[in-house]
Order: sequence, then structure tokens, then C-alpha cells
Amino acid sequence: DTGVSQDPRHKITKRGQNVTFRCDPISEHNRLYWYRQTLGQGPEFLTYFQNEAQLEKSRLLSDRFSAERPKGSFSTLEIQRTEQGDSAMYLCASSLIGEADAGGYTFGSGTRLTVV
Amino acid sequence: RKEVEQDPGPFNVPEGATVAFNCTYSNSASQSFFWYRQDCRKEPKLLMSVYSSGNEDGRFTAQLNRASQYISLLIRDSKLSDSATYLCVVTHSGNTPLVFGKGTRLSVIA
Repeated sequence: DTGVSQDPRHKITKRGQNVTFRCDPISEHNRLYWYRQTLGQGPEFLTYFQNEAQLEKSRLLSDRFSAERPKGSFSTLEIQRTEQGDSAMYLCASSLIGEADAGGYTFGSGTRLTVV
Repeated sequence: RKEVEQDPGPFNVPEGATVAFNCTYSNSASQSFFWYRQDCRKEPKLLMSVYSSGNEDGRFTAQLNRASQYISLLIRDSKLSDSATYLCVVTHSGNTPLVFGKGTRLSVIA
């Protein structure tokens, strides 16, 4: 599979628990993005990496959220002390730097988080 | 106010109809513009880029009006398979992430 992979596809957790999601981008892509999408809304930007460097974080990314891309390949997004408002689809996308201008993002299928 | 505004719909149209979606953006520094398509419970996928000169791909035509900060998508001869949410997307430059509108839902009815 040469697309963007996300794991798990679904996660149900109790409020207050920590969760971690993983994203494997297309192997040659140097940019990796995390977005969050709630019902009836478009994807909202959370953060992005160029290789292993985290270049931008949205104000949506509270202190409970942390993302890493330690070797410039896969990335993890951790949410600590989950709240019901964290329930959403978490989408990962990757691109090559030169293709970002052309909208050349490839999205993964997402991780759907439900906090109960 | 959201940076990218779209009418959420839904637009319910019969097969064969022509339907138009509009979108406005607030940041005049926006440089690149796109329409993405998202099927129910699936990831967004790039439909087409949008240029001031217009961009046509088969039954789909996209147009950009920089002066009015307005983007449009026209779908001719609608098919059942066109049923989806259409997301208007802008970016300020290649170094900034995509900014999505909330999407416009289209249902094409037989």
C-alpha cells in the first residue's frame, strides 16, 4: 500500500484517558499534516512537520495535544486527559514540498475518536 | 468569521441538472485555491485546482475571482456518483497548510 496509513481506524476511550494515533505518510513525502474534523465541519488544521521539524501549530492544539515525527517518517499524535469535545475524526495528510502549492495532499482514512 | 465560507446546503438536485457552488475567502493574501471532494465517512480528495483563467475538467468547471475573493464550482449533467460534500480550500503559499471551508453537501437524486 503506497498511500497514507493511519492507525487505529476507530478508538473509543473514556474521558480522562490518554490516546495515541499513528500516521505513516507516503514514503518520499517530506511534509506531514494533522487535521481534525467534526461532524458538519471541514477539516481544521492542527499541526504540520517538514521532515522531523514541527513548523506550525494551530491554537486548536491545546497543551493536552502533542505530536512528534522523530525520524521524519511516521508521526504520532497524543491526546492526554481526553475530553468529550475531543471526539472527532483525526486526519493525517502528506505531501512533497513542491506539490503543496498544487494542493497535492494525500489524506489517510483517518482515526475516528469517540470519548465517552 | 471563518476564513473560508460556504453554503452548507444540502443541495438536492435531479440527475442531469447543473448545479453551482460558491465560496468566499477573507484573506486577500491567499494564493492557491482548490476544490476537494469528500464522500461520507471518507477522507477528502483533490477534485481540481482553481485559477483566475478558469479551469475545466470534463463536467466540472472552477472559477476564481480575486477581486471579489470568490470561488465557484459548476457541475454539469449531474450524476448520482457526484453525491458528496464539496470542500472549498485555500492556502496562503506553499509553506502554509490548506484552509478548508465547512463544505457543501450535494445529493443527486434519480
